[in-house]
Amino acid sequence: AQTVTQSQPEMSVQEAETVTLSCTYDTSENNYYLFWYKQPPSRQMILVIRQEAYKQQNATENRFSVNFQKAAKSFSLKISDSQLGDTAMYFCAFLPRDYTGANSKLTFGKGITLSVRP
Amino acid sequence: DSGVTQTPKHLITATGQRVTLRCSPRSGDLSVYWYQQSLDQGLQFLIQYYNGEERAKGNILERFSAQQFPDLHSELNLSSLELGDSALYFCASSVQGYGYTFGSGTRLTVV
Repeated sequence: AQTVTQSQPEMSVQEAETVTLSCTYDTSENNYYLFWYKQPPSRQMILVIRQEAYKQQNATENRFSVNFQKAAKSFSLKISDSQLGDTAMYFCAFLPRDYTGANSKLTFGKGITLSVRP
Repeated sequence: DSGVTQTPKHLITATGQRVTLRCSPRSGDLSVYWYQQSLDQGLQFLIQYYNGEERAKGNILERFSAQQFPDLHSELNLSSLELGDSALYFCASSVQGYGYTFGSGTRLTVV
């Protein structure tokens, strides 16, 4: 079974600054996917970024990038030029690559609440 | 619009009652996942269906059941409701590890 840990319950950042959200995970799988999801006050779950574990290159999506350290089982999210609309809860999630198996569910961390200050 | 449709958006019901939550996955997605999000438990996986068959079960109570129909829509049935069942219930669908696409959720309030 996989576990995902987000140890920081809350963070705050000034608008236009950069913030990094931490995530660690534990698994015996070698091939898997990692995700960051955003949940704004509307409660909609929105996929922010996706990383394939067999790719060494860190994923980037506009202002969002990750620092994926497979050996350390660490997967942090960096948000550059923070905007007020980035205020949300952020969830780190793990998915085995064998998505057809009984263990194929997406496992979430407990989330971190990010507040962007004007 | 994510393409995953959940109805109803809000539901208020009394303890002991039974409700049915409905989910239609994105066109072409065969898998449907149900998650429960409560304040103190985070996002908990309940159950997965793949092309009409149950594929995986998580922390789903015996009072809860689900099914996926031939048209791939899914229903989550919650019975003998308790106050602690109040939560946001999400449905998601996926294609080949590209991440799940979530519906907007059903907010259930048990009074």
